[in-house]
Amino acid sequence: EVQLVESGGGLVQPGGSLRLSCAASGFTFTSYAMSWVRQAPGKGLEWVSSISHSGGSTYYADSVQGRFTISRDNSRNTLYVQMNSLRAEDTAIYYCAKEVAGFGTDFDYWGQGTLVTVSS
Amino acid sequence: DFAMTQSPLSLPVTLGQPASISCRPGQSLVNDIANTYLTWFQQRPGQSPRRLIYKVSNRDSGVPDRFSGSGSGTDFTLNISRVEAEDVGVYYCMQGGHWPPTFGQGTRVEIK
Repeated sequence: EVQLVESGGGLVQPGGSLRLSCAASGFTFTSYAMSWVRQAPGKGLEWVSSISHSGGSTYYADSVQGRFTISRDNSRNTLYVQMNSLRAEDTAIYYCAKEVAGFGTDFDYWGQGTLVTVSS
Repeated sequence: DFAMTQSPLSLPVTLGQPASISCRPGQSLVNDIANTYLTWFQQRPGQSPRRLIYKVSNRDSGVPDRFSGSGSGTDFTLNISRVEAEDVGVYYCMQGGHWPPTFGQGTRVEIK
């Protein structure tokens, strides 16, 4: 059974940093690209970032480019996103999602999400 | 970015009645002859999104056959043949054929 378990969310002040993790199991992690998708309170879904199966290629939404860094540790089956210079508009539930093929084409499994709140 | 427009945004339905949600990409959505990456997700209250339909019309394992997807080009539809109480939630379409991936605004399905 595929499982994606996010952690690392919490309350952070504007300008602060946070690192989210996503522990994957139930599939061959090293074979699939992975992504982060977020959902602001009461709002819709927004793609944030994707990373290739090897970690060699990364992609970002314009809204987080230069502030967020996606990475993965294939030896630990874990996906990460380092979030710096956080803003109030980054407040959201962050989901990790498993890609089906390529980047951003289709997400077949999602984690339960972790809430990030940016507020003073 | 590739805009995805869903309608209606709110859909009150009587139990046992059909429901239909439209998703219209801003441009024709054809990745290649074999792959049109139009996906439907269901998000029940308090839960994470769950994929229901992929590549326009393929139902995921475990998804009841009352759910079906159809369409092409700039006009896609998610149909629920007979709405049940467990179908309450928000439904999103997503396109993955044009970078970056984009989602519709969501359609909230509720029971009348």
